Amino acid sequence: DTGVSQDPRHKITKRGQNVTFRCDPISEHNRLYWYRQTLGQGPEFLTYFQNEAQLEKSRLLSDRFSAERPKGSFSTLEIQRTEQGDSAMYLCASSLRENSQETQYFGPGTRLLVL
Amino acid sequence: GENVEQHPSTLSVQEGDSAVIKCTYSDSASNYFPWYKQELGKRPQLIIDIRSNVGEKKDQRIAVTLNKTAKHFSLHITETQPEDSAVYFCAASKKGSGGSNYKLTFGKGTLLTVNP
Repeated sequence: DTGVSQDPRHKITKRGQNVTFRCDPISEHNRLYWYRQTLGQGPEFLTYFQNEAQLEKSRLLSDRFSAERPKGSFSTLEIQRTEQGDSAMYLCASSLRENSQETQYFGPGTRLLVL
Repeated sequence: GENVEQHPSTLSVQEGDSAVIKCTYSDSASNYFPWYKQELGKRPQLIIDIRSNVGEKKDQRIAVTLNKTAKHFSLHITETQPEDSAVYFCAASKKGSGGSNYKLTFGKGTLLTVNP
């Protein structure tokens, strides 16, 4: 499967614990995005990378959230001291910026439940 | 920031009928409008997109229209089939400082049910 992959697909954790999610983009895609989707809502932008540089972070991304893309390939999203409000589907998308245009392809998501 | 409104939130049609989903956006700088289909428990999948230099785009049974003046765009599905049942999301994007489109702002989605 050459699409975007995410790991784990599901995560249950207790409030206050730290969690880390991984996203592997489509090979050669230079842009990688993180979105959060709650039930009954569309995905909301969290942050994005172009190669290894994190270019923008949403106000939704509190200090407890950190994302990295160390070598411009896979990315990790860490949530520290999880809260029940962090329960959501975390989606990763990747794209190839070409001629000022791009199409974002989504991964299957990591569903997080904080108890 | 950009705000995308999507209507209706649910839509039920009979197999073979047409379905229309409408979205409005607030930022006149937005110039890229994709539509994603998300089946239960699966990833959003791009089904069609349109850029602001065209008014209509068609791909088999799916078409999208864009009215830049009114800041609204619509998805049209003809000859609906049960497998079209899913949640459909519209989105909008504008160019960033780097000169290319980037983050998507999504509507809240439309649950389409096609009854056999």
